[in-house]
Amino acid sequence: DARVTQTPRDKVTEMGQEVTMRCQPILGHNTVFWYRQTMMQGLELLAYFRNRAPLDDSGMPKDRFSAEMPDATLATLKIQPSEPRDSAVYFCASLGEETQYFGPGTRLLVL
Amino acid sequence: EDQVTQSPEALRLQEGESSSLNCSYTVSGLRGLFWYRQDPGKGPEFLFTLYSAGEEKEKERLKATLTKKESFLHITAPKPEDSATYLCAVRGGSEKLVFGKGTKLTV
Repeated sequence: DARVTQTPRDKVTEMGQEVTMRCQPILGHNTVFWYRQTMMQGLELLAYFRNRAPLDDSGMPKDRFSAEMPDATLATLKIQPSEPRDSAVYFCASLGEETQYFGPGTRLLVL
Repeated sequence: EDQVTQSPEALRLQEGESSSLNCSYTVSGLRGLFWYRQDPGKGPEFLFTLYSAGEEKEKERLKATLTKKESFLHITAPKPEDSATYLCAVRGGSEKLVFGKGTKLTV
């Protein structure tokens, strides 16, 4: 059963620290998305890639967030420096034939 | 700008009490309306895709329908295991999905 995997599942850090989240998309899926979910805003698209190239990162604060796909099996989302307002659940999803398939998420708490 | 509004925000049903969740949308060139289920602490799980007005899809106690302005997720004789947050999303001119804030269902 192919699934999107994400690590870490939970992360607690202090303000100002760097945070790196990782995602392994479903094998063969060449379009990968990063979302952030909060109670207030719901699911928001941060960025997405096709064939490892960034297509849209307009939802991402450029001064502190960066997203990359070093290879077809790994996508990363980095926050540097982290702030308390970044506390949220971050999801990765990969695009299949019909729809996007989501990973279990990384729950981030910035103190 | 594509928009999705879901109502109600929360719904509490008795076991066996059927009801419907609403998803109103505005999108330029609909290329799909999607329903997902999300359990606490987990990622959204795909349920249905609808592509054109009049289309219906069913899965167990769930049936999704689509008009030109809204979609309904009908839940027939719900059970406690149907408790979850149900998310609606639309796809317009790109691969991006725009999500509503969801309806939290408690049975």
